[in-house]
Amino acid sequence: GESVGLHLPTLSVQEGDNSIINCAYSNSASDYFIWYKQESGKGPQFIIDIRSNMDKRQGQRVTVLLNKTVKHLSLQIAATQPGDSAVYFCAEIPGRDMRFGAGTRLTVKP
Amino acid sequence: DTEVTQTPKHLVMGMTNKKSLKCEQHMGHRAMYWYKQKAKKPPELMFVYSYEKLSINESVPSRFSPECPNSSLLNLHLHALQPEDSALYLCASSRGGDSNQPQHFGDGTRLSIL
Repeated sequence: GESVGLHLPTLSVQEGDNSIINCAYSNSASDYFIWYKQESGKGPQFIIDIRSNMDKRQGQRVTVLLNKTVKHLSLQIAATQPGDSAVYFCAEIPGRDMRFGAGTRLTVKP
Repeated sequence: DTEVTQTPKHLVMGMTNKKSLKCEQHMGHRAMYWYKQKAKKPPELMFVYSYEKLSINESVPSRFSPECPNSSLLNLHLHALQPEDSALYLCASSRGGDSNQPQHFGDGTRLSIL
């Protein structure tokens, strides 16, 4: 069936470097996408969202890119900090409910 | 701090016990959700309430019984659970009406079934 997935289950970066977390989706009906950050012992925290009529959206230190042609979503984190260490989930909303991807663990080395 | 409050934070119960998980939000959101999350896995949708009415039940066993007493509260009643039901149970809310709105999560109840 159609699903949301991630290319890399783990990502390790040096503090200060930029991070890129990727997500592939296959449900062409999805028109809204969200990135969440989940720290240990906490619930998912909203980072940024993007609608299908956009291909790029920027927030504070984060940018989400959407390529509908290849059904690909990415999250870019600029100047990665130790506090960015967490599991990152992409999520798609093809209709009534939201489906999460498998998640990527980001580890930031000091 | 999250604007969705879940209690208790931890719960240990036997398979014959009856307990309830509680969730509260005061953001005026009209859609509320229950998710189950196993270790190292993404959250899985269990139930969706829209304007206090159950709109989605993702084939969840009847030992889980949701309740939405009003627009700010969401409960999950538990009875005769199995060890495989041990997980983090997350509550979320969104503005409602339009599915293209972000969901805001609480920090969950970590449930252990003995």
